[in-house]
Amino acid sequence: QKEVEQDPGPLSVPEGAIVSLNCTYSNSAFQYFMWYRQYSRKGPELLMYTYSSGNKEDGRFTAQVDKSSKYISLFIRDSQPSDSATYLCATSILAGKSTFGDGTTLTVKP
Amino acid sequence: EAGVTQFPSHSVIEKGQTVTLRCDPISGHDNLYWYRRVMGKEIKFLLHFVKESKQDESGMPNNRFLAERTGGTYSTLKVQPAELEDSGVYFCASSQRAGTPTNEKLFFGSGTQLSVL
Repeated sequence: QKEVEQDPGPLSVPEGAIVSLNCTYSNSAFQYFMWYRQYSRKGPELLMYTYSSGNKEDGRFTAQVDKSSKYISLFIRDSQPSDSATYLCATSILAGKSTFGDGTTLTVKP
Repeated sequence: EAGVTQFPSHSVIEKGQTVTLRCDPISGHDNLYWYRRVMGKEIKFLLHFVKESKQDESGMPNNRFLAERTGGTYSTLKVQPAELEDSGVYFCASSQRAGTPTNEKLFFGSGTQLSVL
């Protein structure tokens, strides 16, 4: 069983929609939670970074971590075609050494 | 500010050959990580340098893989001899040595696509 399971997608939404991306994890020792965005033929780019439980908002993006249910989410409001990419959730016990989900490919149609 | 640079961007080699991948981290970043994504699988941790020292190499698949970080600057990852299952995308990432772990954020390079035929 994988330590981090990510909703596989792919996901296709119209421009302006609210997008919800989700992951679950099994190791209760994880305490750092990240969301990365990856464009084709590029490396992952850190989007959101959370330490422990709670919500974090940055512009149109909101990350939620619920350690009691081992569930992490990323919400994108007013989605744009430029948000089309693969989104990766990641967790870690020690900052830097991360365990990744498989990724969810999102397409936002104009 | 230049980002993390990796080269080559693509490498195609035959089984049994040797390949060396290079990573130049962001200047001043003490932490350097190698990750790998093989086809159909998730990105997986390989190893972690702090300056020139290997901090954690628990993710290295076997002794055909050798990583070095000369003088705490750039790093190389050598695969010798390469096998078919080594094909994938090899990512390098770097981060500053932050005051606390909660501030450590990874910056990834674009990766090297390795194809072993």
